[in-house]
Amino acid sequence: AQKITQTQPGMFVQEKEAVTLDCTYDTSDQSYGLFWYKQPSSGEMIFLIYQGSYDEQNATEGRYSLNFQKARKSANLVISASQLGDSAMYFCAMREPNYGQNFVFGPGTRLSVLP
Amino acid sequence: NAGVTQTPKFRVLKTGQSMTLLCAQDMNHEYMYWYRQDPGMGLRLIHYSVGEGTTAKGEVPDGYNVSRLKKQNFLLGLESAAPSQTSVYFCASSHRTGNYEQYFGPGTRLTVT
Repeated sequence: AQKITQTQPGMFVQEKEAVTLDCTYDTSDQSYGLFWYKQPSSGEMIFLIYQGSYDEQNATEGRYSLNFQKARKSANLVISASQLGDSAMYFCAMREPNYGQNFVFGPGTRLSVLP
Repeated sequence: NAGVTQTPKFRVLKTGQSMTLLCAQDMNHEYMYWYRQDPGMGLRLIHYSVGEGTTAKGEVPDGYNVSRLKKQNFLLGLESAAPSQTSVYFCASSHRTGNYEQYFGPGTRLTVT
C-alpha cells in the first residue's frame, strides 16, 4: 500500500491566488514527521515546511502553511498569493522513526501558476 | 559552504559496467542518504547512513552498495549496471536531531544503455 498519496498529478492556479496541494499518508506509528519539498524545473530539491505528529499547531513558513489533520491522516500544503516562481513539482514526504531513517516520498503534484 | 555536492553530474554507462557516485557534505551532518528518482514517481530511498562506518538498506537497495568511510562522504556503487538503473540519483544529508530536514545535492543523471 502507498504510504504517501498525492491525488493531484497536476494543478493550475492563477497568479496571486491561493492553492492547496493534497497529501494523505498511512502509518501505524504515533510519532512521525511530515515534509513538503519543491522541485523546480532545474531539478534541485528545496525544503519548504515540516510538521511533527505531536505538533498541536499547523506549521507555517512565510507563504507556505501545512493544514495538518491528524485523524484524517492528511497534511495538505497551502500556498498563499501564488507567484510565477512557484511553478514546480511538489512532493510530500514522511519520516517514520520506528523504521530507522526511512523517508517515503509521494509521487508529486505539478503546479503551474498562470499569469 | 558548498552544502551537498555530487560527482559526477551526468554519466552514461553500458550494461555490465561499474561506477561509483560520490556525495560530499560540509555541514557536519550525521545522517546521509541516497535516493533515486524515476519519471512519474517520487524519490525512493536506496541506502542511508546514520554515522561513519554504518549503512542501512532503504526501500530499493538491490543492485547498489554504499560506503561511509568518512563522515562527510557517502559513496554509492553500481557493480554491474543494468538499464533499470537509469535514473536521477540524489544524495541528501541531515542532522540527527531536530526535524531531520534533509539538504539535497543537485543530482546525478545516469543512463545505462
